[in-house]
Formats: sequence, C-alpha cells, structure tokens
Amino acid sequence: AQSVTQLGSHVSVSEGALVLLRCNYSSSVPPYLFWYVQYPNQGLQLLLKYTTGATLVKGINGFEAEFKKSETSFHLTKPSAHMSDAAEYFCAVSDRRASDYKLSFGAGTTVTVRA
Amino acid sequence: DGGITQSPKYLFRKEGQNVTLSCEQNLNHDAMYWYRQDPGQGLRLIYYSQIVNDFQKGDIAEGYSVSREKKESFPLTVTSAQKNPTAFYLCASSPIDVAKNIQYFGAGTRLSVL
Repeated sequence: AQSVTQLGSHVSVSEGALVLLRCNYSSSVPPYLFWYVQYPNQGLQLLLKYTTGATLVKGINGFEAEFKKSETSFHLTKPSAHMSDAAEYFCAVSDRRASDYKLSFGAGTTVTVRA
Repeated sequence: DGGITQSPKYLFRKEGQNVTLSCEQNLNHDAMYWYRQDPGQGLRLIYYSQIVNDFQKGDIAEGYSVSREKKESFPLTVTSAQKNPTAFYLCASSPIDVAKNIQYFGAGTRLSVL
C-alpha cells in the first residue's frame, strides 16, 4: 500500500518568506505525486502533479515541487508567501502500477501567514 | 459550468438513522470517489467506482454504502452501523486516463450527529 508522510502539521511563515512543505512517500516504485490545497470548508484543488519527465514541476499560484527519487520526496515550495496562501495542503500519491488511480493522502499541513 | 455538486452542505443525523449524501458531476468522468476527512488525518477513501453499476470498497467502507446507477451520480449512504459519522465528506471524480489522472473535488458535506 502507498504511504505518504507530511512532516509538520502546522507551518507559520511571514508574508514574503519562503514556504516549504515536506512530503515523503514509501514505495519501491515511485508513484504519481500530487499536491492539493484546501481552503476552509471547501473541497480540494490541485496545485501540481508529477507523473514522469522533468522532476521540477511548476503549479498554480507560484508553487513548485521537486521529485527526488533518491530521497523519496516531493517537497512543495513557494519563494514568497502571500496572505492568500493560508490554507491546508495535502500531498497525495497514486500507484502507477495500478489501474484504479486511487489516491492516498498525507495528514495535511496547515499554513498560516503572518503579516 | 462543469463541476461536482455535493448536497446538502450541512447534514444532521439522529441516532439509528440512515442518511444519504448526494454527489453529481457533469464532467463526463468515468471514476468517482468518496472520502472522509477528519482533523489531522487527511482524507481516507470510503468507496470508489470506475464504471456504472460497479464499485469497490476503500480503506474505511464499514458503515457506508454506495450506488452507481448513472455515470453522473454516486450517492453515499451513512448507515446506522457507522458509530462515529461526524466528519467532512468529500466526493471526487476523475477520467480513467494516466495522462489526465487528476481528481476533481466537490465542496463537501459536513455531517454531524444530533
């Protein structure tokens, strides 16, 4: 079974500072990797995904993530935080060997942005 | 506009009662999913379906049931056997295509027990 670990359930950053959210997966075969964002009382919205090819993936709202096979990681970054980035962020994986495309989610990281 | 509609937004369940959460999509997606979200636990898969009239249990299917009679609809019933139903429920859909493998989510239904 796919497993995802997000280090840090809460992250607080100053406006304009770097945002770094950590995600590690446990799988012998690198899975498909996703980052989703959730604003309060809403559904999830895809930020970016990695399936194959270039390991640095750019997403919406200035976010990007880098797949590092040697570290089994897919950390999410944004160079400069904005107040609107305050939300909960989920890393998710999907087994590329499976045909059901099920997602396994990490526990989530809540980001607060200080003015 | 294409999307996923979940209703109701808030739902209250009495002891021993079954309740049904609605999920409708007009994205023409083959696959649909139900997740349960509890604070600090991320999303856990309840049921999923890749084709009409077929569905599979997820990680926490006990106390829940689903049907998939139409491509557009995937209702979830929380039965009285689910002893701790209070949670935020999210429905999602996706194409069955590796290149387009993205799940799109509805706005959720928050279920509470009276």
